[in-house]
Amino acid sequence: AQKITQTQPGMFVQEKEAVTLDCTYDTSDPSYGLFWYKQPSSGEMIFLIYQGSYDQQNATEGRYSLNFQKARKSANLVISASQLGDSAMYFCAMREGDAGGTSYGKLTFGQGTILTVHP
Amino acid sequence: AAGVIQSPRHLIKEKRETATLKCYPIPRHDTVYWYQQGPGQDPQFLISFYEKMQSDKGSIPDRFSAQQFSDYHSELNMSSLELGDSALYFCASSLGSEQYFGPGTRLTVT
Repeated sequence: AQKITQTQPGMFVQEKEAVTLDCTYDTSDPSYGLFWYKQPSSGEMIFLIYQGSYDQQNATEGRYSLNFQKARKSANLVISASQLGDSAMYFCAMREGDAGGTSYGKLTFGQGTILTVHP
Repeated sequence: AAGVIQSPRHLIKEKRETATLKCYPIPRHDTVYWYQQGPGQDPQFLISFYEKMQSDKGSIPDRFSAQQFSDYHSELNMSSLELGDSALYFCASSLGSEQYFGPGTRLTVT
C-alpha cells in the first residue's frame, strides 16, 4: 500500500498567489516525521520543511508552511506569495520511527507534484 | 553553510562495467543515506549508515555495495551495470530530524 500519496500530478498558480500542495500519508507508527522537498529541473533535492508527529504547531519556514492535520493524516504544503523560481517538482516524504528530534530512518516519498508558476 | 558533496556529478558507463559514487556528508552528521531516482520516479531508498555501521537496507541490488569510512565519507560501488541502473543517485546526511541531500550523481549506462 502506498504510504505517501500526492494526488495532484500538476498544479498551476499565478505569481504572487498562494498555492497548496496536497499530501496524505498512512502509518500505524505513532512517531513519524513528514518532509517536503523541492526538485528543480536541475535535479537537486532541496529540503523545505519538517513536521514531527508530536509537534503541536504547524511548521513554518519563510514562505513555506505545513498544514498538518493528524486525524486526517494529511500534511499539505502551503507556499505563499508564489515566485517564478518556485516552479519545480515537489515531493512529500515520511520517516517512520521518529523519536523526539533524533532519528536515523529512511524516507519514503510520494509521487511528486509539478508546480508551474505563471507570470 | 556546508552541504553534502557528491562526486562525480555525471558518469557514463557501458553495460557490465563498474562504477563508484562518492559522498561527503555535512560535517558532524552521523548518518548517511543513499537513494536512487529513476527517470520520472520518486527517490527510492537503497542503504544507510549510522556511525560507519550499516543501519538499514532497502531495495539495493546484490550487484551494489556500500560502505562508510572512518572520515564519514561513503562510497556506493556498482558492478555489472545494466541499462536499468541509469538514474540519479542521491546521498543524504542527517544529524537529528532533518535530512539534507547532495546534488546527486547522474549515471548513464549505455
